[in-house]
Amino acid sequence: DSGVTQTPKHLITATGQRVTLRCSPRSGDLSVYWYQQSLDQGLQFLIQYYNGEERAKGNILERFSAQQFPDLHSELNLSSLELGDSALYFCASSVRGFLTDTQYFGPGTRLTVL
Amino acid sequence: EDQVTQSPEALRLQEGESSSLNCSYTVSGLRGLFWYRQDPGKGPEFLFTLYSAGEEKEKERLKATLTKKESFLHITAPKPEDSATYLCAVQGDFQAGTALIFGKGTTLSVSS
Repeated sequence: DSGVTQTPKHLITATGQRVTLRCSPRSGDLSVYWYQQSLDQGLQFLIQYYNGEERAKGNILERFSAQQFPDLHSELNLSSLELGDSALYFCASSVRGFLTDTQYFGPGTRLTVL
Repeated sequence: EDQVTQSPEALRLQEGESSSLNCSYTVSGLRGLFWYRQDPGKGPEFLFTLYSAGEEKEKERLKATLTKKESFLHITAPKPEDSATYLCAVQGDFQAGTALIFGKGTTLSVSS
């Protein structure tokens, strides 16, 4: 158990809908990262937050957004869902968000768009 | 372009049959190379971080090594419980902050 929690574990929804994925980092960690894992692309970085502020962006679609709250939990919002958004979404956290910090991953949310 | 390539894609071993997994990378300014283990439907589990060429780290039956162009994960006398997908990731002087760039992984199956 990494100490990172994610809810829900599974999510099934329809195209065009909007969903919110939630992540609580390990106790004491200030930085949160979101990754998407699909069968053909592998693990892809989406976005990073550090102590409530956006730190870095990867290949995140404009339909996706995220935020980190004062209690350091983070939410990833996915809107206008398409079939291709079906994937595993992982949250990771690290102590400071600096280079070479170890990122610890949560158990993931499996999103299925029908 | 920064990228990570892992080989082989899949590896089948008999219990006790040692082998190595390869991770080759091209990155500007490598800051760290990370190995993770991932079981089906679960999140990646951290194994090792390597920072500079020549560095080695060990944990039980696993040993990770790093050169300037690649890393190896050596598995000595594997057991069925070592069956998993092993992921390699790098962190460098990317524009995307401290994000990890992952390879697609090597899926290891160990049979008794």
